[in-house]
Amino acid sequence: DIQMTQSPSTLSASVGDRVTITCRASQSISSWLAWYQQKPGKAPKLLIYKASSLESGVPSRFSGSGFGTEFTLTISSLQPDDFASYYCQKYNSYPWTFGQGTKVEIK
Amino acid sequence: EVQLLESGGGLGQPGGSLRLSCAASGFTFSSYAMSWVRQAPGKGLEWVSGISGSGGSTYYADSVKGRFTISRDNSKDTLYLQMNSLRAEDTAVYYCAKAGSSSWYFQHWGQGTLVTVSS
Repeated sequence: DIQMTQSPSTLSASVGDRVTITCRASQSISSWLAWYQQKPGKAPKLLIYKASSLESGVPSRFSGSGFGTEFTLTISSLQPDDFASYYCQKYNSYPWTFGQGTKVEIK
Repeated sequence: EVQLLESGGGLGQPGGSLRLSCAASGFTFSSYAMSWVRQAPGKGLEWVSGISGSGGSTYYADSVKGRFTISRDNSKDTLYLQMNSLRAEDTAVYYCAKAGSSSWYFQHWGQGTLVTVSS
């Protein structure tokens, strides 16, 4: 099975910072990657699909890029509402595996 | 508006069974694949099981294969997860998730239902 590895596991940042989270696949998954945001006690929320397509209603400060085995989620200017955990997920083939998550904390 | 409402969680005995349900509304249920995703306390997301729109294809994570069964009733717009031979490591919040159009990313999620396996 293809493994998904996110880095870093935890990230400390300030409001206004540019933040980048990386997700690596152990084999090529083309562009079949999604990103989710999850706040404590809440369900995950889809941010990005097909590596770089922004889900409707998601602020444009979120962007995704990458192809093959390396992908990034970028928040261009971190807002107070963005302090949360973020997960990548591959969906090129079964099983539909998640990365282990990245927690974005207030610095 | 898409709504997914899980029910059926609670306390289960090791070796016992529980059945989760997910009532869907706001979309044509039979047109979309559905999945169950779980999250153990303080841990990350783990995909558990998926089912095609027609119900003809089902998929399971190795951790639950042979113990859990996913099904759907398209006449009732409801997704199910039958959980047998429960283990302590099955303790988690279980989310019902609607797949995207023709793809297995998860566009909409329910609020989750907590399953605790303990004697």
